[in-house]
Amino acid sequence: GAGVSQSPRYKVAKRGQDVALRCDPISGHVSLFWYQQALGQGPEFLTYFQNEAQLDKSGLPSDRFFAERPEGSVSTLKIQRTQQEDSAVYLCASSPRGYEKLFFGSGTQLSVL
Amino acid sequence: AQSVTQLGSHVSVSEGALVLLRCNYSSSVPPYLFWYVQYPNQGLQLLLKYTSAATLVKGINGFEAEFKKSETSFHLTKPSAHMSDAAEYFCAVSDSGNTPLVFGKGTRLSVIA
Repeated sequence: GAGVSQSPRYKVAKRGQDVALRCDPISGHVSLFWYQQALGQGPEFLTYFQNEAQLDKSGLPSDRFFAERPEGSVSTLKIQRTQQEDSAVYLCASSPRGYEKLFFGSGTQLSVL
Repeated sequence: AQSVTQLGSHVSVSEGALVLLRCNYSSSVPPYLFWYVQYPNQGLQLLLKYTSAATLVKGINGFEAEFKKSETSFHLTKPSAHMSDAAEYFCAVSDSGNTPLVFGKGTRLSVIA
């Protein structure tokens, strides 16, 4: 496809479960970002990759959050031992390079019960 | 650290009326400023960006924004609202384009026929 693709679109998890969220960026885009958007809030930065290198993970809220992009394309955001406060929409974005023009996916809405 | 304040979580205008969405920022270095739009069930889409060139920036769908350093503002305007403009609008800032985008909380625009 032409855009950023995220799966699943919706995810319901029981508290304590592990979840994995997938992002397929636009082909050829070097930079990839993960954002978390709580209800009624703007997106908040989680982490940034340039190719396979994770250059910034300062926004990850705890060590339960882990992201990878092993071949510099598809990325996975993993959340271990989910908590209710993890409920949010997780947005992935990619760009040709850097921060100047991000293309966002539709997000994965995570609900932790 | 940079931050963004969007005044008004909800703005309602009549079709054909002026649209004005307010954004104020704080940044310790020359900022890069962005407006993104989010339609229901879609990803965020870049409307326009300011990257230290012309202070009046024109974007897609007839929107424009003016960078005013003295007021630390980057308000979004459109002369005549259309029904299709109903969406959530986010202002974002990056320090010289080298740091992750920091988003405001968003303003929901409603257009009344």
